[in-house]
Amino acid sequence: NAGVTQTPKFQVLKTGQSMTLQCAQDMNHNSMYWYRQDPGMGLRLIYYSASEGTTDKGEVPNGYNVSRLNKREFSLRLESAAPSQTSVYFCASSDGGVGYTFGSGTRLTVV
Amino acid sequence: SQELEQSPQSLIVQEGKNLTINCTSSKTLYGLYWYKQKYGEGLIFLMMLQKGGEEKSHEKITAKLDEKKQQSSLHITASQPSHAGIYLCGAQNSGYALNFGKGTSLLVTP
Repeated sequence: NAGVTQTPKFQVLKTGQSMTLQCAQDMNHNSMYWYRQDPGMGLRLIYYSASEGTTDKGEVPNGYNVSRLNKREFSLRLESAAPSQTSVYFCASSDGGVGYTFGSGTRLTVV
Repeated sequence: SQELEQSPQSLIVQEGKNLTINCTSSKTLYGLYWYKQKYGEGLIFLMMLQKGGEEKSHEKITAKLDEKKQQSSLHITASQPSHAGIYLCGAQNSGYALNFGKGTSLLVTP
């Protein structure tokens, strides 16, 4: 089925380890986003890419980096994981301001 | 930035009862989205409202955007256990990104 695919679905990291969360969409959308969801906080925007070749900070970018590899793929990297980054991460894409579609999420635990 | 406030934060209703969830914005809304999230899963798109006074329905769920475009409501008629989950309202912010409220957790009891 067409949509947004995130990998991995679950991950446990030790403090200080690094990892990259992968996201790919097959809807030919221009814009892609990374959010984190914490209990009682809703979804908070980490980074977004309005179009291929551009990336911008969202509400909570500290401790993260992103790469818009091509039109389909948008990755999120944690260089040195901290317990405060324990969260559920969602990738999303849209065709400008319409058609927002979300992945199924990555559940990350940092111990 | 635009802030979205949802109320109530949580709701427990008996099966068959009606309920309403509200979403209030600090600024004029130019695109208001409603999503449902089952516990532990991703977001499912419900409806999108753009025009003041607009109302949309899907099955037993109706969403409205007020004339001033600063408040939206989501109404569920004759609730069922399948309606349980977290309901999130979102609005467009900079760079097309959606800004979300903190969500309303709904539990439907038999």
